[in-house]
Amino acid sequence: EVQLLESGGDLVQPGGSLRLSCAASGFTFSSFAMSWVRQAPGKGLEWVSGITGSGGSTYYADSVKGRFTISRDNSKNTLYLQMNSLRAEDTAVYYCAKFRHYINTPLDYWGQGTLVTVSS
Amino acid sequence: EIVLTQSPGTLSLSPGERATLSCRASQSFSSSYLAWYQQKPGQAPRLLIYGASSRATGIPDRFSGSGSGTDFTLTISRLEPEDFAVYYCQQYDTSPHTFGQGTKLEIK
Repeated sequence: EVQLLESGGDLVQPGGSLRLSCAASGFTFSSFAMSWVRQAPGKGLEWVSGITGSGGSTYYADSVKGRFTISRDNSKNTLYLQMNSLRAEDTAVYYCAKFRHYINTPLDYWGQGTLVTVSS
Repeated sequence: EIVLTQSPGTLSLSPGERATLSCRASQSFSSSYLAWYQQKPGQAPRLLIYGASSRATGIPDRFSGSGSGTDFTLTISRLEPEDFAVYYCQQYDTSPHTFGQGTKLEIK
């Protein structure tokens, strides 16, 4: 059974940093591209970032480019999102999601999300 | 980036009725790269349809997708009580893999 468990969400001040983690199990982690998607309170879904199975290629939404870094450790079956220079508009539930295969495929499994609140 | 616009914003229907949800793209892309997701309150999204018309594993056949180019449609043939939720379309042709703003399907 595929399981994705996010952690690391917290209350952080504007300008601060946070690192999210997503522990994956139930599939061969290194064989699949992974993604982060966020949802601000009461709002829709926003695709944030994606990374290939090897970690060799990464992709970002313009809203986070230069501030967020996606990475993965295939030996630990874990996906990360390093978030720097956080802003109030980054407040959201952050979901970790698995691509069905490579980067240009749909997101077929999602975690339950972790809440990031950016506020002073 | 490709902008997806969903309509209507809210759709009020009764169980047993047919629902038709629309997703229009700002530029044409291959239908192979269009997905639909369902999200219920307090839950993560669930993949319903990919490649515009292929149902994901375990999705009932009352859900169907169609379309090409810039116009895509999700149809629910006979609404069940558990189908009332928010539905999002997403393109995964080019980065960023944008979502539509969602259509809320509510009980009339």
